[in-house]
Amino acid sequence: GAGVSQSPRYKVAKRGQDVALRCDPISGHVSLFWYQQALGQGPEFLTYFQNEAQLDKSGLPSDRFFAERPEGSVSTLKIQRTQQEDSAVYLCASSLDPNTEAFFGQGTRLTVV
Amino acid sequence: AQSVTQLGSHVSVSEGALVLLRCNYSSSVPPYLFWYVQYPNQGLQLLLKYTSAATLVKGINGFEAEFKKSETSFHLTKPSAHMSDAAEYFCAVSSNDYKLSFGAGTTVTVRA
Repeated sequence: GAGVSQSPRYKVAKRGQDVALRCDPISGHVSLFWYQQALGQGPEFLTYFQNEAQLDKSGLPSDRFFAERPEGSVSTLKIQRTQQEDSAVYLCASSLDPNTEAFFGQGTRLTVV
Repeated sequence: AQSVTQLGSHVSVSEGALVLLRCNYSSSVPPYLFWYVQYPNQGLQLLLKYTSAATLVKGINGFEAEFKKSETSFHLTKPSAHMSDAAEYFCAVSSNDYKLSFGAGTTVTVRA
């Protein structure tokens, strides 16, 4: 596709449920990022991949959050035992390399009830 | 550590009037600075980026921003607002060009 694609666009989860959010980056993009955007806030950095290597996961809020990019392309952000404070829009971005413009997907809006 | 403060969560301007969005940053190292725009139900789009090459940075859609080190500011301006400029705008700072720290955002409405 032409841009970064995220699925699902909307996800409602019951508290305690596990969820998996998918990101398809632009083909050939080496760098991939995940951000969390709470309502009324700016995005907050979660994690960064260069190809399949997770080089920075300093923004993951707890050990319930896990991200992977096993083949250096598609990435999945998994949240275990979801809690209400996990409700947010999760944004994925990719770039050709770390020093070039990052292109953002439309995000996945997660609501935990 | 880096952080960004955007002054004013909402700005309302008349069509054709100046748009001014304020951003102040703190950074322990020379920063990279960015402005992004987010239209409803869309991802963030880069408007412009400062990387120390020039203090006045021109971006897309007629926007520009000026880096002022003495004021630790990177305000975004557009001389004449258009209805299509209605969106949310985010200022961001980075010390390593990949990990962005965003401000809380400023929502711009344009009055006809």
